[in-house]
Amino acid sequence: AQSVAQPEDQVNVAEGNPLTVKCTYSVSGNPYLFWYVQYPNRGLQFLLKYITGDNLVLGSYGFEAEFNKSQTSFHLKKPSALVSDSALYFCAVRDMNTGNQFYFGTGTSLTVIP
Amino acid sequence: GAVVSQHPSWVICKSGTSVKIECRSLDFQATTMFWYRQFPKQSLMLMATSNEGSKATYEQGVEKDKFLINHASLTLSTLTVTSAHPEDSSFYICSATEGSGGPSTDTQYFGPGTRLTVL
Repeated sequence: AQSVAQPEDQVNVAEGNPLTVKCTYSVSGNPYLFWYVQYPNRGLQFLLKYITGDNLVLGSYGFEAEFNKSQTSFHLKKPSALVSDSALYFCAVRDMNTGNQFYFGTGTSLTVIP
Repeated sequence: GAVVSQHPSWVICKSGTSVKIECRSLDFQATTMFWYRQFPKQSLMLMATSNEGSKATYEQGVEKDKFLINHASLTLSTLTVTSAHPEDSSFYICSATEGSGGPSTDTQYFGPGTRLTVL
């Protein structure tokens, strides 16, 4: 079965410090992996995706994510957090074997403390 | 980049009435559109997948007669909540993918969401 796990409901980090938001996945085939960010009362905004190629993916707003096949992980990272990064972050996976459907994690609320 | 809009952004209605939510892809043709429902502090729940010109595919547990989806063109899908009740109050989000969903068209672009409040 396809699934995505975000083990942390809440992540707090001080402004200027590096941040990591964790994501692990489970799919039967090759995964397409995505990160989205959601600000209050807004839709989801695309940050980055991994399809194939380099395991380190660079995305919007200085975010990056590393695909680790052996650990089935796709953690989101940023070297220096900004207060404006505070939002809800969703990891998603699309299993190429099952078509267009995306499977979303439960979300991680990131708070960057000034 | 690809932009998806939703209208209205917020709607309040009386119990028993029907509400239509529109989802439009503004600068691309969306062969496939998705409708999600999100409860406070929870993840997105896929309700249905809509392909232009064909009937929507509903997820298990979603009443297709209550949540009517129409995808009449490559840029517009509508979700109609029929005979709305307070338990239908939620944040409804649509998304769209370009083309046929291949590797170059696999990203979902999300609308800003519609908050439905049923009194």
